[in-house]
Amino acid sequence: QVQLQQSGPGLVKPSQTLSLTCAIFGDSVSNKSAAWNWIRQSPSRGLEWLGRTYYRSKWNNDYAVSVQSRITINPDTSKNQFSLQLKSVTPEDTAVYYCTREGSEWYLFDYWGQGTLVTVSS
Amino acid sequence: IVLTQSPGTLSLSPGERAALSCRASQYISNNYLAWYQQTPGQAPRLLIYGASSRATGIPDRFSGSGSGTDFTLTISRLEPEDFAVYYCQHYGSSPRNTFGQGTKVEIK
Repeated sequence: QVQLQQSGPGLVKPSQTLSLTCAIFGDSVSNKSAAWNWIRQSPSRGLEWLGRTYYRSKWNNDYAVSVQSRITINPDTSKNQFSLQLKSVTPEDTAVYYCTREGSEWYLFDYWGQGTLVTVSS
Repeated sequence: IVLTQSPGTLSLSPGERAALSCRASQYISNNYLAWYQQTPGQAPRLLIYGASSRATGIPDRFSGSGSGTDFTLTISRLEPEDFAVYYCQHYGSSPRNTFGQGTKVEIK
């Protein structure tokens, strides 16, 4: 059974960087049949895919156009986890952030973290 | 592809049958349509993929049907834990995966 455990601050000041980590249990971040994603949810935007990292013969990243200039998703093989960094946040980035696993099919999310409410406010 | 779910809210009693609709603005190939359930304070949970295949551990009262642009999630007899918000999602090779706006199934 795969479990994803999120950690990170729930409050970030405007213009600063949002940082979250997702620890993986029961799978490997280097699994060549999986990809590791971040999705956020807010009343105004609904469920919004942000990006992913995955390993095939090398590490790859895909990012949503809406955030691609501000986002970085990195794997950490030593700790079997992956992270999200979102720079220059504004109140519009306030949302519940989820890490997810993409398993058998592209962008089909079979396991989810517990979610982290991140509020952007001074 | 834009996914439109209807109705926005469905008011039913336990034991009743629920039918939720998801309509796509374009043809969805390979039946790459999934359904998720989200209860308050929880993350979404994958219920159905491939339009009609149940994910691991999902009870058989949940079923999915449809193809092309019209899809349906049916809950044959509502249990108390089934009152939640349901989302459809188009997945596949495009990076622009999309979710519908959700249908809330509430207790009447």
